[in-house]
Amino acid sequence: DAGVIQSPRHEVTEMGQEVTLRCKPISGHNSLFWYRQTMMRGLELLIYFNNNVPIDDSGMPEDRFSAKMPNASFSTLKIQPSEPRDSAVYFCASSFGFRGLAGVSETQYFGPGTRLLVL
Amino acid sequence: KNQVEQSPQSLIILEGKNCTLQCNYTVSPFSNLRWYKQDTGRGPVSLTIMTFSENTKSNGRYTATLDADTKQSSLHITASQLSDSASYICVVSPHYGGSQGNLIFGKGTKLSVKP
Repeated sequence: DAGVIQSPRHEVTEMGQEVTLRCKPISGHNSLFWYRQTMMRGLELLIYFNNNVPIDDSGMPEDRFSAKMPNASFSTLKIQPSEPRDSAVYFCASSFGFRGLAGVSETQYFGPGTRLLVL
Repeated sequence: KNQVEQSPQSLIILEGKNCTLQCNYTVSPFSNLRWYKQDTGRGPVSLTIMTFSENTKSNGRYTATLDADTKQSSLHITASQLSDSASYICVVSPHYGGSQGNLIFGKGTKLSVKP
């Protein structure tokens, strides 16, 4: 298996532009997570999906951020309009697990990340 | 407030030596605790996952311990290798009826192993 695939690996854009990050989870996994990592704040969970349905988006910083998962093999994270403070590494991760089972500990597999720089 | 604190922030050791990284958390109720290894420029890789009822879990030269009473976890690395140089991140999952969202992340410990 190729693992979690993210594109692009690097993105440089100007403030105000729309940015779309893409993720292909591991085949068969039913949970997908979007994270952001910065030096100041470390890793932060933005949103996660289970069976293509958004379960918790409380980590999404503001309305400029949106995420979709139209099918089991593809997800996007969109920032519109982008701002310099959005500069970070964005990771996608996937796992196989069941929502609602307390104590179940699924391993999350991370993609290589997209390094975003907003000028 | 749910928090995860890791110490030290950074650590330099010689190849072949052992080391222990610490993680203290205030998350309650608590479902599970994970340790991740993150190489520079790459995504985190899971090392261990422990539920609240487990107190030790090993993965090769990595051994994680958990004391749910004192809310402390440690990651012990035995006979360190140059490839162990990475950031190690402690992540705690609150017990919210089974949802695995709302993970609480530590800032990580940056380990450098020197020859």
